[in-house]
Amino acid sequence: QKEVEQNSGPLSVPEGAIASLNCTYSDRGSQSFFWYRQYSGKSPELIMSIYSNGDKEDGRFTAQLNKASQYVSLLIRDSQPSDSATYLCGNSGAGSYQLTFGKGTKLSVIP
Amino acid sequence: EAGVAQSPRYKIIEKRQSVAFWCNPISGHATLYWYQQILGQGPKLLIQFQNNGVVDDSQLPKDRFSAERLKGVDSTLKIQPAKLEDSAVYLCASSMRVDEQFFGPGTRLTVL
Repeated sequence: QKEVEQNSGPLSVPEGAIASLNCTYSDRGSQSFFWYRQYSGKSPELIMSIYSNGDKEDGRFTAQLNKASQYVSLLIRDSQPSDSATYLCGNSGAGSYQLTFGKGTKLSVIP
Repeated sequence: EAGVAQSPRYKIIEKRQSVAFWCNPISGHATLYWYQQILGQGPKLLIQFQNNGVVDDSQLPKDRFSAERLKGVDSTLKIQPAKLEDSAVYLCASSMRVDEQFFGPGTRLTVL
């Protein structure tokens, strides 16, 4: 059974702080990892993808992957109230288009 | 570029009734997915199409759910008969690449 685990939160951070979101996965064959943002009542939108160990930065977002520990994280620097949403972690196997999602972590950025 | 279109946006039905959802993917996207998202959970893949062929339907409750993708473009998902536990948002997504799944707005189904 392929599982993706996330702390459901809510995670509350003050505006301007760094938000750290974490995810672990059970499938050692996972090759691709994704972070989606989902605003309340809206559909998920892709914000980051990462495929190899280490860090990947895109603006205020940094994804970190450690395949040996089966762990992936998302850091949001200078958090803004507009970042308040549920963040979904997902992964897929080699050559697979199928995503397995975690339950999501709800982030609240307090002004 | 137009996004993934879904209809209806909302549907309320009685249990044991039938319901159908429609999805039009982004033009040129060969892969189409139907997900079920229950409140407080992440999306769960129900079925994946590559063009008009089924790639994976292992999590589709086939005794009551069916899906088709005619001519490799539009797709419909049907539930017959519906149960209370089918209340969820049904999301359609499409992609050309594994790292770019684009989701539609979803259909919120309430089964009473």
